[in-house]
Amino acid sequence: ETGVTQTPRHLVMGMTNKKSLKCEQHLGHNAMYWYKQSAKKPLELMFVYNFKEQTENNSVPSRFSPECPNSSHLFLHLHTLQPEDSALYLCASSQGLMDTGELFFGEGSRLTVL
Amino acid sequence: AQSVTQPDIHITVSEGASLELRCNYSYGATPYLFWYVQSPGQGLQLLLKYFSGDTLVQGIKGFEAEFKRSQSSFNLRKPSVHWSDAAEYFCAVGPGFQKLVFGTGTRLLVSP
Repeated sequence: ETGVTQTPRHLVMGMTNKKSLKCEQHLGHNAMYWYKQSAKKPLELMFVYNFKEQTENNSVPSRFSPECPNSSHLFLHLHTLQPEDSALYLCASSQGLMDTGELFFGEGSRLTVL
Repeated sequence: AQSVTQPDIHITVSEGASLELRCNYSYGATPYLFWYVQSPGQGLQLLLKYFSGDTLVQGIKGFEAEFKRSQSSFNLRKPSVHWSDAAEYFCAVGPGFQKLVFGTGTRLLVSP
């Protein structure tokens, strides 16, 4: 496997469910990110982890709970979501936070909250 | 805080015609600048990036972009568009990856 892999690709959940999104990168990177992509809105940065430590929480509601057990894996735990949380959730990784490389994206997890 | 404006929501170009997608940004110093492309149901793929040096940057798939500091712009160009270029294009700017801000995107439609 190469690049950034996200599972599941599609998820439908009720407002009272608890689910998790998983991201795995096979690039040897140290930084990982969660973005939210909603229709007609810019990509929104949610969380940033660098060497497993959270370095950025962009005022994300507590119903979204990230977890980064190691530099290769990133989870987004979801509970008591709202319909407006329906979106494409993109994971990304980079070698560092300010190097001259690039941000590599996964294909996203399409979340629908009923 | 930095910001990015992509003034065109949709652009339609005939196959074989040239393309220019506009990106204007607001940032106090020389930022990192990126163009990404997203096909339906896919993640974002990097087309090109600018950090410093030569202001004309070459990317993948025949794309190029020019950084114009005086105009705070980083427009994306391609001399001859192919049907496979139909996608959504995002400009991004920031001091680094942690503070990267994306534009709202421009959807490119390619007509036969």
